[in-house]
Amino acid sequence: NAGVMQNPRHLVRRRGQEARLRCSPMKGHSHVYWYRQLPEEGLKFMVYLQKENIIDESGMPKERFSAEFPKEGPSILRIQQVVRGDSAAYFCASSPVVGPPGNYGYTFGSGTRLTVV
Amino acid sequence: DQQVKQNSPSLSVQEGRISILNCDYTNSMFDYFLWYKKYPAEGPTFLISISSIKDKNEDGRFTVFLNKSAKHLSLHIVPSQPGDSAVYFCAATHTNAGKSTFGDGTTLTVKP
Repeated sequence: NAGVMQNPRHLVRRRGQEARLRCSPMKGHSHVYWYRQLPEEGLKFMVYLQKENIIDESGMPKERFSAEFPKEGPSILRIQQVVRGDSAAYFCASSPVVGPPGNYGYTFGSGTRLTVV
Repeated sequence: DQQVKQNSPSLSVQEGRISILNCDYTNSMFDYFLWYKKYPAEGPTFLISISSIKDKNEDGRFTVFLNKSAKHLSLHIVPSQPGDSAVYFCAATHTNAGKSTFGDGTTLTVKP
């Protein structure tokens, strides 16, 4: 019963490169959420996906950021042409229903810490 | 416009005493409130939740109180233990909204 798996745990990119973050939800969970935590701040919602569908991307920056959750494989958060301000911890969460389920919340991964140099 | 606010960035209590963490919200549409605990270099883990139709929910040492009229909730930890030292996030959601809105967190330190 593996939890939410995120990789890589740490990612260093130079300005202008692409960052690709992966998230495999818990088995049986078809709802995936991406959150970003900037230094000294809380978690900010980015995007909510179901298999092959983006349900809510109201928290995604308009440019350079994209997300997908294909029929097969993990969910991917892609950041093109990274800038220093993209340095943050990116967390993925999953749930079995549109949620989070009130009685047990989301299940979060351990996050990917992106550093842009 | 921050819809969920945790006004105390940090809290320090003695082991065995009560820890009270507070959270305020502004959006009347929120109908579920959750608390998460986060250790460094880990993802948040769900702790306890409360529906807007209740004013109290208890789970062992953890109790969450909701005051809808004041748009305020609090998490009580009794007795506090050193292992409770972590960042605590308050979150709010609306049924079927999918996303949750998080506060900025309160760092709790429980001193032995």
